[in-house]
Amino acid sequence: GAGVSQSPSNKVTEKGKDVELRCDPISGHTALYWYRQSLGQGLEFLIYFQGNSAPDKSGLPSDRFSAERTGGSVSTLTIQRTQQEDSAVYLCASSVDRGKADTQYFGPGTRLTVL
Amino acid sequence: AQSVTQLGSHVSVSEGALVLLRCNYSSSVPPYLFWYVQYPNQGLQLLLKYTSAATLVKGINGFEAEFKKSETSFHLTKPSAHMSDAAEYFCAVSGPDYKLSFGAGTTVTVRA
Repeated sequence: GAGVSQSPSNKVTEKGKDVELRCDPISGHTALYWYRQSLGQGLEFLIYFQGNSAPDKSGLPSDRFSAERTGGSVSTLTIQRTQQEDSAVYLCASSVDRGKADTQYFGPGTRLTVL
Repeated sequence: AQSVTQLGSHVSVSEGALVLLRCNYSSSVPPYLFWYVQYPNQGLQLLLKYTSAATLVKGINGFEAEFKKSETSFHLTKPSAHMSDAAEYFCAVSGPDYKLSFGAGTTVTVRA
């Protein structure tokens, strides 16, 4: 079946612009995660959605970052007033549920470059 | 809090040789441990996971890992490396807050 998809695959933007990154999870998966992969910081957790519960935003690095999940499916990560340090690969993952042992399935990522 | 440490950022092996990637974890609760592989310009793919059942876990592509509580380790091995094993490998731990904490990654190169 279809895996996690993300768009765009690459995004180049100028410092100060806003960007939106999209994630389509695997159908039926209730949990959705965003991670950031950068050279200096490795893989970092950003935000987590589970069903209709309030999201866990504890990993968001600043208030310029926000995310929403509409209808319990598609999610959008928005970065306002982008900075050069936001350049990274943004990975989305989904899992069937929220259990510790549940496998998180990752999308191919969006490579963001801020000039 | 949970964390993992991967020893060695780069590993080079000859084709047909043993692959050994080291991972040590720190966890205040019984851990759930994962190994993921990332090929260039792709997302992460699960190789295997430990969920408190058998301590020796077999995964895809001939990889396996052994959970050793006394050593707080979860090393990944493959008896015979193939050129297609060249990739970056991440060890991760999931704690009571369900988030994955990843190691820094180990890049594997395979020499012909």
